[in-house]
Amino acid sequence: NAGVTQTPKFRVLKTGQSMTLLCAQDMNHEYMYWYRQDPGMGLRLIHYSVGEGTTAKGEVPDGYNVSRLKKQNFLLGLESAAPSQTSVYFCASSSTGLFQPQHFGDGTRLSIL
Amino acid sequence: RKEVEQDPGPFNVPEGATVAFNCTYSNSASQSFFWYRQDCRKEPKLLMSVYSSGNEDGRFTAQLNRASQYISLLIRDSKLSDSATYLCVVNGAGGSYIPTFGRGTSLIVHP
Repeated sequence: NAGVTQTPKFRVLKTGQSMTLLCAQDMNHEYMYWYRQDPGMGLRLIHYSVGEGTTAKGEVPDGYNVSRLKKQNFLLGLESAAPSQTSVYFCASSSTGLFQPQHFGDGTRLSIL
Repeated sequence: RKEVEQDPGPFNVPEGATVAFNCTYSNSASQSFFWYRQDCRKEPKLLMSVYSSGNEDGRFTAQLNRASQYISLLIRDSKLSDSATYLCVVNGAGGSYIPTFGRGTSLIVHP
């Protein structure tokens, strides 16, 4: 049982390059989330999705786009990477409902030079 | 005022000690609460949910105080392996169903 899988685990980009981070879950969860975590800042929500075909902005959405074409996948895109986007990115998923905890992937460490 | 607040610590305790963390939340309509554990450079992992009546899982006890709007985590007989950051999560804070994370409390257990 894989749970939540993030691809890639590490990546180094140059400023201005684009890339897509993939999150896949095999738990049939409705909700999926993308967070970034920076030292001293805690987890900050970038975008989230409450179901296939729907996405919404979180706390820090600027510079990122997302898509949820399939229920099991949630993609995070950086169209033109900036050094400020250097961070650890975590994907999470949860079942529908207020009382359901989130399950996290093991993160993507992204450096923008 | 932040929606979910935690003392960042670090809390430095010897092995075998009892330590407690609190987490305050601002929205009285918040519905569900969790404690997660995060090891350095790893993903957060669910430690336990927090129920209205309080709940215990081995050496860990979680409690909810709705009147004062805080949750607590008590760790008894601390182990070196308990060293981590403990994240408080509140659902329903800010009027939405999206979880809100505290910034975490760092615990260091030393020999």
